Amino acid sequence: EAQVTQNPRYLITVTGKKLTVTCSQNMNHEYMSWYRQDPGLGLRQIYYSMNVEVTDKGDVPEGYKVSRKEKRNFPLILESPSPNQTSLYFCASSLTGTGVKFFGQGTRLTVV
Amino acid sequence: KQEVTQIPAALSVPEGENLVLNCSFTDSAIYNLQWFRQDPGKGLTSLLLIQSSQREQTSGRLNASLDKSSGRSTLYIAASQPGDSATYLCAVRRIAAGNKLTFGGGTRVLVKP
Repeated sequence: EAQVTQNPRYLITVTGKKLTVTCSQNMNHEYMSWYRQDPGLGLRQIYYSMNVEVTDKGDVPEGYKVSRKEKRNFPLILESPSPNQTSLYFCASSLTGTGVKFFGQGTRLTVV
Repeated sequence: KQEVTQIPAALSVPEGENLVLNCSFTDSAIYNLQWFRQDPGKGLTSLLLIQSSQREQTSGRLNASLDKSSGRSTLYIAASQPGDSATYLCAVRRIAAGNKLTFGGGTRVLVKP
């Protein structure tokens, strides 16, 4: 089944403790991206990647890192999480830059 | 800067009624517009993608129209069912913004049996 898989689905952590949210797609898509969803602010792009080793900032990249060492994986790294990074995070992928975008199931992160 | 608005924020209809969901955007220089459905605690499911050169796109009971010059798209859902209850999001992909989608705030739909 074609899908975008995120792990974990739920995570509670403490301020400053480094964490990684994994994202994997099995559709051989070139483009991958991360979004966060917050009440009243909607979905906003954090980072995106156009191919292996090619990444760029989205609208809200501060406090996040990404890497794209393999085509199928695009992990989101929070080096020092803070409470304002408490949010619902989505990974997405598309075959082309303008193609249909497929989303993962989301990761609900709480930073205390 | 692209702004995407969805009004109303919430909608409640009896089963069987047709649903009309609105999406407006400020910058008409778009590649395409995509409609999504989001169920509580779940991810986004793509419903329809309509290219900037298209006027409408259909899939089953769903029909999306696009009027690029006026910055509007409408999603029609025929003969609504309780299973259509969800939040519907529209997102536009601007020509100048590459892969990024700019999302509206969504319309939360409740279809009552």
